[in-house]
Amino acid sequence: EDKVVQSPLSLVVHEGDTVTLNCSYEVTNFRSLLWYKQEKKAPTFLFMLTSSGIEKKSGRLSSILDKKELFSILNITATQTGDSAIYLCAVVFVGGGTSYGKLTFGQGTILTVHP
Amino acid sequence: NAGVTQTPKFRILKIGQSMTLQCAQDMNHNYMYWYRQDPGMGLKLIYYSVGAGITDKGEVPNGYNVSRSTTEDFPLRLELAAPSQTSVYFCASGHFSNQPQHFGDGTRLSIL
Repeated sequence: EDKVVQSPLSLVVHEGDTVTLNCSYEVTNFRSLLWYKQEKKAPTFLFMLTSSGIEKKSGRLSSILDKKELFSILNITATQTGDSAIYLCAVVFVGGGTSYGKLTFGQGTILTVHP
Repeated sequence: NAGVTQTPKFRILKIGQSMTLQCAQDMNHNYMYWYRQDPGMGLKLIYYSVGAGITDKGEVPNGYNVSRSTTEDFPLRLELAAPSQTSVYFCASGHFSNQPQHFGDGTRLSIL
């Protein structure tokens, strides 16, 4: 069964700390992995990863994919209270008897950053 | 450019009632998706569509129906509402399956 597992499920840190969020997956015909940030409403896109070992970076956030070990990490350095959110990992794969791509989300990591 | 628009934002239903959640996008995206998100959980795919007239089931399709008669609209129908369908529903769209999706703001549905 195709699945995406995130860890930890929740994390509480103080401003200035560095955090690492994990996403592992088991899917057939992997296409890409995406990270989203969800605050009060809809998820907003952070990164899309398709190739192993190439780091994507945006300000204090960075992410990398390991297609051999089937996982990705999302790093946030010098955390701020505005980083408090649910971080969602999603994997695009082809399977289930169809040639169309499907997206499966992990359960998310709830990050709380205290001042 | 409105993006993905969902209506209504909130709704309370009684058990056994039916309703349609509306979703419209103005970005000419081929792919559209319906997800549900239960408290403290990730998103689960209900149905998706790769273009007008083509729909397919996701992980949790039971109790729901969809149609896609135009590129812009992708309504989700609940025929006999059950308490287990209490959730937040998100609609999303994208050009291709392998591209980031644009999400609507969600519909919070309570079934009592």
